[in-house]
Amino acid sequence: SYELTQPPSVSVSPGQTASITCSGDKLGNKYACWYQQKPGQSPVLVIYQDSRRPSGIPERFSGSKSGDTATLTISGTQAMDEADYYCQAWDSSTVVFGGGTKLTVL
Amino acid sequence: EVQLVQSGAEVKRPGESLKISCKGSGYSFSSLWIGWVRQMPGKGLEWMGIIYPGDSDTRYSPSFRGQVTMSADKSISTAYLQWSSLKASDTAMYYCARQDTNGPADYWGQGTLVTVSS
Repeated sequence: SYELTQPPSVSVSPGQTASITCSGDKLGNKYACWYQQKPGQSPVLVIYQDSRRPSGIPERFSGSKSGDTATLTISGTQAMDEADYYCQAWDSSTVVFGGGTKLTVL
Repeated sequence: EVQLVQSGAEVKRPGESLKISCKGSGYSFSSLWIGWVRQMPGKGLEWMGIIYPGDSDTRYSPSFRGQVTMSADKSISTAYLQWSSLKASDTAMYYCARQDTNGPADYWGQGTLVTVSS
């Protein structure tokens, strides 16, 4: 079955740039999207179609893709960005989530 | 405003049946897919499948096929997820989300916590 691989954890200092990667076989031929989930809350879509930002998502969130690796970048990271982040793609008419990355802002 | 409102938390015994719901509003419920996602305690997101309320076309994740049943009643803009015989391992938070095929889940319900314990 298809898999998306994320680092389990990423740490960043406030005001710095955080990057979270997501890799998968032939991900370069698929669209990736990203969700933020804070403790006790439902996931929120922060990036879709690799790099598009939904209305209401701060500009510090951006997405990119190079080859089979998608990257979520948070510029000027704030304490409120501390959360779990999940990438997602479609494969063979099914949705696949990455394992999630815990972003710690310290 | 698009909203997905899920039914409340449930506590069940192993072997019991259960049906939880997800009511959509603020958009044409029949015209977009609804996906279901499981999150076990302290774990990540797992996609269970999707249903198209317009004609109840359903696609299950291989991991969940035969374990749950998805259905929808477009007349009341509601999707359902049901179990015929719950197990302790079904204990989890279950989310519904408006899902675009080959795209993202752009709106999510608040989640339904299902606890299965003897």
